[in-house]
Amino acid sequence: GNSVTQMEGPVTLSEEAFLTINCTYTATGYPSLFWYVQYPGEGLQLLLKATKADDKGSNKGFEATYRKETTSFHLEKGSVQVSDSAVYFCALGSSNTGKLIFGQGTTLQVKP
Amino acid sequence: ETGVTQTPRHLVMGMTNKKSLKCEQHLGHNAMYWYKQSAKKPLELMFVYSLEERVENNSVPSRFSPECPNSSHLFLHLHTLQPEDSALYLCASSQMGEPQYFGPGTRLTVL
Repeated sequence: GNSVTQMEGPVTLSEEAFLTINCTYTATGYPSLFWYVQYPGEGLQLLLKATKADDKGSNKGFEATYRKETTSFHLEKGSVQVSDSAVYFCALGSSNTGKLIFGQGTTLQVKP
Repeated sequence: ETGVTQTPRHLVMGMTNKKSLKCEQHLGHNAMYWYKQSAKKPLELMFVYSLEERVENNSVPSRFSPECPNSSHLFLHLHTLQPEDSALYLCASSQMGEPQYFGPGTRLTVL
C-alpha cells in the first residue's frame, strides 16, 4: 500500500543554517505530495504542495521538488529562523479520494 | 470566523461521561475529516465525510460516533472512553481531491 517515511528528529539547527528534511514515499499511480507544518498548540497548516513529477512547491522560503525517479519530496530552506521551530509532516494524497497518508513528523528546533 | 474552527479546545472527561467535539468549516468545502494525533504516533485518519455521507471509517471503536448534519459542521460524539483515547483530535476539510485545511484541534484527556 501507499506509505510515507520521514527522517527521524529532532533536528536541531542554529539560526540561518540550511535545512533539509528527507521524505520518501511508496505509491501506486500519481499521487500529490504535501508538506504540512504544526506549530506548538496548533493544528496542521499546509506549507506547500506538488501535484506531478518535477513540480516544485514553495512557500515562506521553503521548497520541495517532486522526484519520481527517487520517490522523494525533501523539504529545504536556505536560512532557518527561530520562528520555523515546529513539527513538519510529509503527506501523500490521492486526487480521487482526497485521503492523505502522513509521515510520522519531524521536529525542528532552531536555536538563536 | 474563517477557516476551520473546533470547540472545545481542551476537554477533560471521565470514562463514564458523554461529550461531543464540534468542528465548523467556513471554506465552502464538500469533505470533512476527523484525525487522532497521539504522542509518538503518525496521524490516524478516523472518519471521512463527503457531501455529508460517511465514506470512510477506519476501524474506529464504536465509542466514537461521528455526525455530519450539513457540509459545514462535523461532530464527534464520545462515550465510555478509555484513558488511551487521550489525544489531540483534529478536524480538517477540503474540496474532494484538493489539499486539506485543519482546525486547531481539541486536546482530550480521559481520566
